[in-house]
Amino acid sequence: EPEVTQTPSHQVTQMGQEVILRCVPISNHLYFYWYRQILGQKVEFLVSFYNNEISEKSEIFDDQFSVERPDGSNFTLKIRSTKLEDSAMYFCASGRDGSTDTQYFGPGTRLTVL
Amino acid sequence: EDQVTQSPEALRLQEGESSSLNCSYTVSGLRGLFWYRQDPGKGPEFLFTLYSAGEEKEKERLKATLTKKESFLHITAPKPEDSATYLCAVQAPSGTYKYIFGTGTRLKVLA
Repeated sequence: EPEVTQTPSHQVTQMGQEVILRCVPISNHLYFYWYRQILGQKVEFLVSFYNNEISEKSEIFDDQFSVERPDGSNFTLKIRSTKLEDSAMYFCASGRDGSTDTQYFGPGTRLTVL
Repeated sequence: EDQVTQSPEALRLQEGESSSLNCSYTVSGLRGLFWYRQDPGKGPEFLFTLYSAGEEKEKERLKATLTKKESFLHITAPKPEDSATYLCAVQAPSGTYKYIFGTGTRLKVLA
């Protein structure tokens, strides 16, 4: 059964460093998403991406964040200058259709900023 | 403001003791309600999608129902392997694809 994959599973970085989180969405899906979950809190939407552009972003997704689909299979989230408060689980999700379609989530990348 | 509230926050059941989890929502136009299971340190695993009031979906020991204000996840004769956090999410009116999640219900089933 197709699934969303994410690498790395755990990333440790120093404050101020850049990190890139990688995702391989399900192959026939067209809509891609990033969410994050701070320990003990709810899953929060960051950004949605369709047709090679951002379709929606939350207030959390400021200028420090960017997303890219560099090739036909990968979808990346870059954090330019990490802060302590960026420590969280980051989940990639994909869906065939944006409207009313189910989003399938990857296993997550645990980002720890020291 | 669109909001999702889940209750209880935590639930302990004996094996075989059936119960229900609640997800109440306030959104200006619901397009879909989604239930996920999340194991510790893992990503949300899809369970059910519900679109309209009165709709019901079933899978093994789980049954999800939807009204105009809330959804229930009924767990019949649970087993220890059903222990997990159950997340509810809604997709709000057209123009947005994002999910709005509740904080989840942590379920522990004791053998």
